[in-house]
Formats: sequence, C-alpha cells, structure tokens
Amino acid sequence: QQQVKQSPQSLIVQKGGISIINCAYENTAFDYFPWYQQFPGKGPALLIAIRPDVSEKKEGRFTISFNKSAKQFSLHIMDSQPGDSATYFCAAGSSGNTPLVFGKGTRLSVIA
Amino acid sequence: DSGVTQTPKHLITATGQRVTLRCSPRSGDLSVYWYQQSLDQGLQFLIQYYNGEERAKGNILERFSAQQFPDLHSELNLSSLELGDSALYFCASSVDSLGTPLHFGNGTRLTVT
Repeated sequence: QQQVKQSPQSLIVQKGGISIINCAYENTAFDYFPWYQQFPGKGPALLIAIRPDVSEKKEGRFTISFNKSAKQFSLHIMDSQPGDSATYFCAAGSSGNTPLVFGKGTRLSVIA
Repeated sequence: DSGVTQTPKHLITATGQRVTLRCSPRSGDLSVYWYQQSLDQGLQFLIQYYNGEERAKGNILERFSAQQFPDLHSELNLSSLELGDSALYFCASSVDSLGTPLHFGNGTRLTVT
C-alpha cells in the first residue's frame, strides 16, 4: 500500500513534443505529490508538487494532472527540449512527517 | 547548487568493511534525510533526523546507523558491508520536519568489492 508505481521506465520524445509520465498510488492517506528531476551525477531536485485539493498545477512548461478517484497523477512537459533530458521521479507522502515514497523513475531523452 | 554537501564523492571498499558518509545540510535547514539509490530499487528512504533527533525510519538495515550532530551535519555509518550495499547514497535537507526533502546533495557512490 506504500508503493508508488511509475511508468514508463524510459521515454524518448522529439524536441517540441509533449512528454507524459504517469504515477499511481494506493494509499488514500497520501496528500502531497511532488516530482523530482535528476540529471546525471546530480541529486534529485524538486520540480513541482501538487496537493489533492486541485486537479492541475502548472509551472512554466511543466504541468501536474491529478485524478483523486483513480489515484493517479501525471507530469506533462510541454514543448520538450533536449535540456529536459533527465530522470524524473514521482513521489507521494502524507501530512505529518511521513517520509515520501518514490517511484522508480523515468529516464527521459529529448532528441532533436 | 543545492547547498547540501556530501563527502566523499566516491568510495571503494571491500566486503566486511565499515565506512562513514558525511553530509552537511543547506544553511538553515534542520532536517537531514538519507536515501539509497540503486538501479533496480530507485530511491529508498533510510532515515530522517530533525535538529539532532531521529524523526523517521525507513528501510534501514541494522548494519547501518546514522546520527545528526549539534552543528546539524549528519553521518551515515555502514558496517559489515556486502556487495549489495553498492549504491548511490544521497543526503537531503529541509527546514521543517514534515518529511519532504527539498535540497539534495550530489551523493556518495559506494562500491563494495
């Protein structure tokens, strides 16, 4: 019940296209859903996060869509650029000091 | 730059040995988190400290231990090392105790031979 399932494992997108990464969770107590971006040789960096009181959150070219009834959330990267090539992790947690549970990551390659 | 400093960057050691990984959190952050990253398991939470006290514990083996010192730096001790302990170990920090690591270091790559 603590798992977060992330798909796909890897993704290749043309420059200018839309990258979509999906995550699903089971624990209905989760109420915080962040995404992290990790470049090779670096630690993950918090990219964008959403709470279940909204169905969508947008920051620049990055959008999180959240479906509470389906217990799914996804990251959309619009107008994908080669500089977006990285590994993306979704995560889920609940208020009150519950450590985040991470998905296994998606390796995104944006090709020109 | 996240402001989180991890040393050493690389560590190669033999099975059965003991190593210590060090982390200095971002200035002002009171929470320190340790994660293990391997290819097949992703990011696994090990342990969190907040202002010197253990706050949360994850899948940390009994052979592993950690502590946070009064100056807020943290050390992760790994003993009786096995080949399967080879991984990237990340430290992260945040201001509060709520379980969200905001700033990650660049990790220590441990290779056990």
